[in-house]
Amino acid sequence: QKEVEQNSGPLSVPEGAIASLNCTYSDRGSQSFFWYRQYSGKSPELIMSIYSNGDKEDGRFTAQLNKASQYVSLLIRDSQPSDSATYLCAVKLGRFGNEKLTFGTGTRLTIIP
Amino acid sequence: GAGVSQSPSNKVTEKGKDVELRCDPISGHTALYWYRQSLGQGLEFLIYFQGNSAPDKSGLPSDRFSAERTGGSVSTLTIQRTQQEDSAVYLCASSLVGGTLQSYEQYFGPGTRLTVT
Repeated sequence: QKEVEQNSGPLSVPEGAIASLNCTYSDRGSQSFFWYRQYSGKSPELIMSIYSNGDKEDGRFTAQLNKASQYVSLLIRDSQPSDSATYLCAVKLGRFGNEKLTFGTGTRLTIIP
Repeated sequence: GAGVSQSPSNKVTEKGKDVELRCDPISGHTALYWYRQSLGQGLEFLIYFQGNSAPDKSGLPSDRFSAERTGGSVSTLTIQRTQQEDSAVYLCASSLVGGTLQSYEQYFGPGTRLTVT
């Protein structure tokens, strides 16, 4: 089992719809969770951080965390073609002394006009 | 404020040559990370520096790869005797790594695209 797992996609969503991106992680002690957006040919850009169970909203983006199920998701409302990118889930795993983030392999999202 | 900067943005080198890639982290960030990303692939962790602690080199793929961080700021990643499989984008990131959960947020530089011919 991978430590941080994402569906690689591609995920195609019509413009204006809700895009739902999912991520599971293996370490129950993990406490910090991040979503990065990476456009083709560019470096990853931090778009959301979440640390507590529940939802966190920022504009059209909502991050959802369920620690009991070891699951974190990103919802994008009113999807726009500019949201087409690869989305990376990153987790600070709970192992003692581990200060790094572990990244998933990313989900490629395409918004269809 | 200024973000993470990397140089050069592009590097083309011949197989067997050595290359040096530079990263300048966000001012005040104590942690610095190097990653490699091959075309269409995910991020591959290479090495991590945190303050004055010994670096975590667990991701370096071979002894041809080394990195140093001088004065707790600028870092240089060196690849000796480059091979064609070293062609990739090399990304640097930095973070605060303090006492809060938010301090683990990593911010990436624009990357260096390395092509070994």
